[in-house]
Amino acid sequence: GDSVTQMEGPVTLSEEAFLTINCTYTATGYPSLFWYVQYPGEGLQLLLKATKADDKGSNKGFEATYRKETTSFHLEKGSVQVSDSAVYFCALSGSGGSYIPTFGRGTSLIVHP
Amino acid sequence: GAVVSQHPSRVICKSGTSVKIECRSLDFQATTMFWYRQFPKQSLMLMATSNEGSKATYEQGVEKDKFLINHASLTLSTLTVTSAHPEDSSFYICSVIDGAKNIQYFGAGTRLSVL
Repeated sequence: GDSVTQMEGPVTLSEEAFLTINCTYTATGYPSLFWYVQYPGEGLQLLLKATKADDKGSNKGFEATYRKETTSFHLEKGSVQVSDSAVYFCALSGSGGSYIPTFGRGTSLIVHP
Repeated sequence: GAVVSQHPSRVICKSGTSVKIECRSLDFQATTMFWYRQFPKQSLMLMATSNEGSKATYEQGVEKDKFLINHASLTLSTLTVTSAHPEDSSFYICSVIDGAKNIQYFGAGTRLSVL
């Protein structure tokens, strides 16, 4: 079945540092890929998405490129802020015609001033 | 603005009582809604798929009689945790999918604490 693997957290960075959170996936067909962010005590919010190979999703300074050859969708940001501290979930959907997403375990990001 | 409204955001109840959580789709009619459960520092676990006008589809291992789902209209689904016990304490999140855009929108979640 489909699966999403994210790097273990927590990731701890200083403000303005470069961020990479790795995500790889296994799926049948050609799924859409997503990054969701969950701030403390809240639900999930869609951060960005990509629907086909080589697409780049971007939002709020975050970027991720759909790499079919490496089955990856790594999240990057050039300069993190304290307000980016949250849990980030990589997900896929649309594999085999199902809209129900498969989520990774989540990666906690902690940004210090 | 919010696409999905979930209420209440937090509830504390005594063991043995029942708790109802509402999930409303604000921007479009949703024939299907989803209920997730999230344990601390873990990912979301899909509990069930709520289908408007018919029975919900539960994931393996989820007790149908414990977690009652009603989807009476195209904009409202409810999850009732019956005879709640401390092990039911968790963060419950609902969601809807915009099929045209293949985007899933989540409610803000409900923190259930059973004493």
